[in-house]
Amino acid sequence: GQNIDQPTEMTATEGAIVQINCTYQTSGFNGLFWYQQHAGEAPTFLSYNVLDGLEEKGRFSSFLSRSKGYSYLLLKELQMKDSASYLCAVRDRSGGSYIPTFGRGTSLIVHP
Amino acid sequence: DVKVTQSSRYLVKRTGEKVFLECVQDMDHENMFWYRQDPGLGLRLIYFSYDVKMKEKGDIPEGYSVSREKKERFSLILESASTNQTSMYLCAPSGPPGREMSYNEQFFGPGTRLTVL
Repeated sequence: GQNIDQPTEMTATEGAIVQINCTYQTSGFNGLFWYQQHAGEAPTFLSYNVLDGLEEKGRFSSFLSRSKGYSYLLLKELQMKDSASYLCAVRDRSGGSYIPTFGRGTSLIVHP
Repeated sequence: DVKVTQSSRYLVKRTGEKVFLECVQDMDHENMFWYRQDPGLGLRLIYFSYDVKMKEKGDIPEGYSVSREKKERFSLILESASTNQTSMYLCAPSGPPGREMSYNEQFFGPGTRLTVL
């Protein structure tokens, strides 16, 4: 099994930068994912990290430290449309299967 | 673009009914997953399949079964629906882990919001 911990809710101001943290414990780490989910919609993929370091993709960046069981999603130049839930998911290798487990999500509210 | 379709966006059933939720993907992915999502509990894995006719239990399989007769189709079955199965159900295929991003990400279907009365 896995424990994935992320804050329940965060607020930020339009134009600012926000960092959403995720900590995890796993026995067969095989990648960490971030998803964005707007209310009433399905999650959409944002990023994937399997090696330590920072992956940058436009306004979004994701960082991973495997030794610390830690990741963060960094959102720059926040826009109102970034108000959504952000899900951290860790893929675990169990036997021959690769199984993602999701955290409970961080609800981000962006204020004008 | 990957396309994942689910049979219904909204479904209302009565307690005790047998319910079929279907998921179809067009990306030829081996792995397919069924999750349910509830407020405050996040996404929880019900069942997954890594090949045709193969299935594995996830974290909360009780009250559910699945069928994978063809690679592109993965069905979730509620044998006798109960009110505590009212939820959003999400299907997500993915490829085997690999260097290509398209193998690693899960593409979610639009979801089926099931209400059991």
